[in-house]
Amino acid sequence: DAGVIQSPRHEVTEMGQEVTLRCKPISGHDYLFWYRQTMMRGLELLIYFNNNVPIDDSGMPEDRFSAKMPNASFSTLKIQPSEPRDSAVYFCASRGPINYGYTFGSGTRLTVV
Amino acid sequence: AQSVAQPEDQVNVAEGNPLTVKCTYSVSGNPYLFWYVQYPNRGLQFLLKYITGDNLVKGSYGFEAEFNKSQTSFHLKKPSALVSDSALYFCAVRDSDGGSQGNLIFGKGTKLSVKP
Repeated sequence: DAGVIQSPRHEVTEMGQEVTLRCKPISGHDYLFWYRQTMMRGLELLIYFNNNVPIDDSGMPEDRFSAKMPNASFSTLKIQPSEPRDSAVYFCASRGPINYGYTFGSGTRLTVV
Repeated sequence: AQSVAQPEDQVNVAEGNPLTVKCTYSVSGNPYLFWYVQYPNRGLQFLLKYITGDNLVKGSYGFEAEFNKSQTSFHLKKPSALVSDSALYFCAVRDSDGGSQGNLIFGKGTKLSVKP
């Protein structure tokens, strides 16, 4: 298994632009999580899905952030419009059986200038 | 409510010495406990977990952790630290009764620095 795959690895964009981050979870995993990591705030859970359905988006910071999971093998996190304070590393993780942990992707480092 | 605490922001150890990274937790039921490691510019990697059974759990890279129910702790240990162990370590807990939909609650992380 190739693990959780995120793209792009790095993204540099100008303030005001739309940014889309992508994630392919491990096949068979029915939970998918989006996290944001910064030096100031550490690891923050933004949103998670179960069987492609968003369950809890209370961590999404603003309406500028949205996430979708159109099928079991793909999810996107979109920021529109982006702002410099959105600069962070965004991780996707997936989970299978409850007594197993999460498998994280390598992350997308977003820089908004 | 579930919670996990990592009381140390940073742990400094000399190479060859034993290391301990502390973690305490709070859950209503029985805990499922995990340790993850994050190397620079990488995602979190699974190190080890405690679900049930022997209180001493062995994991990757020579790490082990001891589950102590009375002290509600799950400290990460290694007998002899390597410079390459320098990384950010996260403790995480899940309530076995499915609280929070069985999701992991992560600590804020402890930076381990091993000096030669």
